Amino acid sequence: EIVLTQSPGTLSLSPGESATLSCRASQSVSSAFLAWYQQKPGQAPRLLIYGASRRSTGIPDRFSGSGSGTDFTLTISRLEAEDFAVYYCQQYGRSPLTFGGGTKVEIK
Amino acid sequence: EVQLVESGGGLVKPGGSLRLSCAASGLTFSTYTMNWVRQAPGKGLEWVSSIIGSNSYVYYADSVKGRFTISRDNAKNSLCLQMNSLRAEDTAVYYCAGGPDLVGAINGFDTWGQGTMVTVSS
Repeated sequence: EIVLTQSPGTLSLSPGESATLSCRASQSVSSAFLAWYQQKPGQAPRLLIYGASRRSTGIPDRFSGSGSGTDFTLTISRLEAEDFAVYYCQQYGRSPLTFGGGTKVEIK
Repeated sequence: EVQLVESGGGLVKPGGSLRLSCAASGLTFSTYTMNWVRQAPGKGLEWVSSIIGSNSYVYYADSVKGRFTISRDNAKNSLCLQMNSLRAEDTAVYYCAGGPDLVGAINGFDTWGQGTMVTVSS
């Protein structure tokens, strides 16, 4: 099983700042099979990024994904009020699919 | 509009059974890999099971293997999760989620339902 470790656990930032979220895998993950999701309280997760760097339909270009192998990054430039949420990375492609533990981006 | 709607959650005693359903609309269901993902109260996301659209191959997390059964009816655009021998640690919101079939791989989840709560308690 591929274990995904997200850091930091919590990121305290102000609107307008940039956020850099890390996802590290216990073994190499194909870039084709790395996704990022956003979840707000009381809501279902929403797909932001798939294939490590491809934005899902309707996702603003201030969200970007990068990385390969065991290290992946989600960058949110110019944080807006609606971006404060919990973010999860996920590796898919092969069973078992796994999620990281999440990074909470909170308002400073 | 693509929509997934879960139902069937509730309170069940340890050792009991429950059947979750997910009704899909607005997508070509038979070409979608469908999944169940759960989230225990205050915790992160946990993948539970997947079923491929084109061939109904199934996959399970070790934590539910032998107790849960995923199935689908492409004619009715529906997905089910039969949960037996339930334990307290199965308490969670269960989400139905899906993504287009990928050749030779399980896809990520571009569509999610709103979830249904399952509570296992005596």
